[in-house]
Amino acid sequence: DAGVIQSPRHEVTEMGQEVTLRCKPISGHDYLFWYRQTMMRGLELLIYFNNNVPIDDSGMPEDRFSAKMPNASFSTLKIQPSEPRDSAVYFCASSLNRGVETQYFGPGTRLLVL
Amino acid sequence: DAKTTQPTSMDCAEGRAANLPCNHSTISGNEYVYWYRQIHSQGPQYIIHGLKNNETNEMASLIITEDRKSSTLILPHATLRDTAVYYCIVRVFQTGANNLFFGTGTRLTVIP
Repeated sequence: DAGVIQSPRHEVTEMGQEVTLRCKPISGHDYLFWYRQTMMRGLELLIYFNNNVPIDDSGMPEDRFSAKMPNASFSTLKIQPSEPRDSAVYFCASSLNRGVETQYFGPGTRLLVL
Repeated sequence: DAKTTQPTSMDCAEGRAANLPCNHSTISGNEYVYWYRQIHSQGPQYIIHGLKNNETNEMASLIITEDRKSSTLILPHATLRDTAVYYCIVRVFQTGANNLFFGTGTRLTVIP
């Protein structure tokens, strides 16, 4: 298995533009998580899905952020409009079951908003 | 989830044991201690977890004090590839909210 796949790996955009981050979880995993990592705040959970259904989005910073999972093999995290403070590394992770130790992380997308 | 406190950074000589401490004085009876690490430019990687007994796997050992208010992750023979940020997390195992909250962790540098 190729593991969790994220694209793009790097994204540079200007303030106000829409940004879409993509994630393909490991096949057969029922849980998918989106995290954001910054130097100041460390790694923060944004939202997670179970069987394509959003379960907890309390970590989503504001309405500019949205996430979807149209099927078991694809998820997107969208920021519209983007702001410089959104600059961070965004990780996607997937898990076979509820066990925390089974979360597998993707390589991340490094986002820079100018 | 209980709050954890870790040193910001540590150094370790290659081949020696790396001992990474974590304080979790507010841990409750049903909360586990988890360790993850993150190598530069990669996603976090699970290492080990435990409740109250010491645990060992192919990557590391986890020593939890009797009162469970602190723990130590031990990498028995540190290599340069172990240079990473190590995160200690305390949470209930298999709750409905299957999520991870990381702090800023300990940056371990293995020195040749």
